[in-house]
Amino acid sequence: DAGVIQSPRHEVTEMGQEVTLRCKPISGHNSLFWYRQTMMRGLELLIYFNNNVPIDDSGMPEDRFSAKMPNASFSTLKIQPSEPRDSAVYFCASSSQRPNHEQFFGPGTRLTVL
Amino acid sequence: AQSVTQPDIHITVSEGASLELRCNYSYGATPYLFWYVQSPGQGLQLLLKYFSGDTLVQGIKGFEAEFKRSQSSFNLRKPSVHWSDAAEYFCAVGERTASKLTFGTGTRLQVTL
Repeated sequence: DAGVIQSPRHEVTEMGQEVTLRCKPISGHNSLFWYRQTMMRGLELLIYFNNNVPIDDSGMPEDRFSAKMPNASFSTLKIQPSEPRDSAVYFCASSSQRPNHEQFFGPGTRLTVL
Repeated sequence: AQSVTQPDIHITVSEGASLELRCNYSYGATPYLFWYVQSPGQGLQLLLKYFSGDTLVQGIKGFEAEFKRSQSSFNLRKPSVHWSDAAEYFCAVGERTASKLTFGTGTRLQVTL
């Protein structure tokens, strides 16, 4: 298996632009997680899905952030409009609910908003 | 709600020395417990996990961890550290009824030669 796939690996954009991050979970996994990692705040859970349905989005910082999972093999995290404080590494992870919820992480997308 | 505390932000050890990274959790029942490692510029990789049974669990790269219910701890150990172990280490706790994990703030390990 190829593992969790994220694209792009690096994204540089200007403030005010729309940014879309993509994630392909491991085949057969039914839970998907979006995290943000910064030096100041560490690793934060933004949102997670079970069976393509958003379960907990309490970590989404504000309305500028949105996430979708249209099917079991694809998810997006969108930021519109982007701001410099959104600069971070964004990780996607997936897991199977059985037997033990172990999460497998993608390589991350490093986002820089100028 | 569950929580995880990693009291050491940064630890430096000499190559060949033993290592112990501390992790304390708060959870009402028996949790799932994990240790992940993150090398610079990389995603998180699972080192080991505890679900039930033997409280001493073995992981990859020569790491082990011991679950101590009485102390609500799940400390990570390695008898002899290699320079390639320099990385950030995250402890995480999960509920048995949900797929969400709660991560600690991480401990950055530096290894001196």
